[in-house]
Amino acid sequence: AQSVAQPEDQVNVAEGNPLTVKCTYSVSGNPYLFWYVQYPNRGLQFLLKYITGDNLVKGSYGFEAEFNKSQTSFHLKKPSALVSDSALYFCAVRDGRGSTLGRLYFGRGTQLTVWP
Amino acid sequence: DVKVTQSSRYLVKRTGEKVFLECVQDMDHENMFWYRQDPGLGLRLIYFSYDVKMKEKGDIPEGYSVSREKKERFSLILESASTNQTSMYLCASSPQLAGTYEQYFGPGTRLTVT
Repeated sequence: AQSVAQPEDQVNVAEGNPLTVKCTYSVSGNPYLFWYVQYPNRGLQFLLKYITGDNLVKGSYGFEAEFNKSQTSFHLKKPSALVSDSALYFCAVRDGRGSTLGRLYFGRGTQLTVWP
Repeated sequence: DVKVTQSSRYLVKRTGEKVFLECVQDMDHENMFWYRQDPGLGLRLIYFSYDVKMKEKGDIPEGYSVSREKKERFSLILESASTNQTSMYLCASSPQLAGTYEQYFGPGTRLTVT
């Protein structure tokens, strides 16, 4: 079975500090991993993905994520948080063995609040 | 840019009504998805489709049906709306292209059933 866990419902950080939003996953084969961001009353926007290659993946708006196979984690990071980063963040996974028809499995989301 | 549009941003319907939510994508994607989003529950997959006239049940298909008569359009139907179907509904699409598995989302429809 495929699943994603986001252990923190909420993360609070001061502007200018580094931020981390945690994600762990479970798949049978090699994982394909994704991060999305959702601003209030909007759809989800794709931030970044890990398919293969370098464990550190860079994405939009200065975000990056580190794939750690031994810990089955894919934490989202940013060196210096902005107030405008405040949003709901979703991690998603799919099994790399699957065909291009495969679905994504989403975590429950983490609400990030960056205060001035 | 990929564009996924949904017919309504906000919708209010009465219990027992038949409700149609429309989704259109302009990037010739083969795969299309319908999710509902509820606080604390994240995104739950209702149905998805990987080709015209094809559909697959997701995790919570009960009370819903779908239609895909054209490649660019995927409709979600609530046969008889109930108050527990009050939710945010999100449509997404993705190509059947190896290495490109991310989904592209529409802005969502916030449905209230009274």
